[in-house]
Amino acid sequence: SSELTQDPAVSVALGQTVRITCQGDSLRSYYASWYQQKPGQAPVLVIYGKNNRPSGIPDRFSGSSSGNTASLTITGAQAEDEADYYCNSRDSSGNRVVFGGGTKLTVL
Amino acid sequence: EVQLVESGGGLVKPGGSLRLSCAASGFTFSSYSMNWVRQAPGKGLEWVSSISSSSSYIYYADSVKGRFTISRDNAKNSLYLQMNSLRAEDTAVYYCARDSDYEIAAVFDYWGQGTLVTVSS
Repeated sequence: SSELTQDPAVSVALGQTVRITCQGDSLRSYYASWYQQKPGQAPVLVIYGKNNRPSGIPDRFSGSSSGNTASLTITGAQAEDEADYYCNSRDSSGNRVVFGGGTKLTVL
Repeated sequence: EVQLVESGGGLVKPGGSLRLSCAASGFTFSSYSMNWVRQAPGKGLEWVSSISSSSSYIYYADSVKGRFTISRDNAKNSLYLQMNSLRAEDTAVYYCARDSDYEIAAVFDYWGQGTLVTVSS
């Protein structure tokens, strides 16, 4: 079982805002990172650290964290944002890495 | 341009062995920690193993510890995963991923396209 917990599925209307959450004790000590994965493709990093976007990631993606919960927010969701989203972080020991179970985002 | 290209996947019988490779280019390979991450068909991502830039620190998921060995050759810009005593549950696409070494987070900023390992009789 995963040490980071994500909702299995979330939906959002086109152009609206959606928040995807990730819960785990390790998030009290380590930042979460967020990855987008479309069918048949490798994951792509979309948010890391406090709220950092790699080059090329639209600014509608943002991140936040409070206590044991990290959140990925998409403001003004687009059809191309439909994908699976995964969080990860160091585990409580700081040596290993854990991934959340993933959230399937549907854009209606 | 950063590129990570995995190879070595294929069909193997339970109990068999396989060695995966990941060829890196476009960055100073010897400066970064590297990881293997796998994804079983229709399932989520699972971290498998990590190795520091100089191979001083190596870690494994409990599910593969004692069976898999991660290694790297910085002179050849290559990452490896030796997989022994393979089980059906090891069937997955295996990705290599670069760790950006950002602060104390796990930030995998570049990924390969993956190589499929199928364990079946």
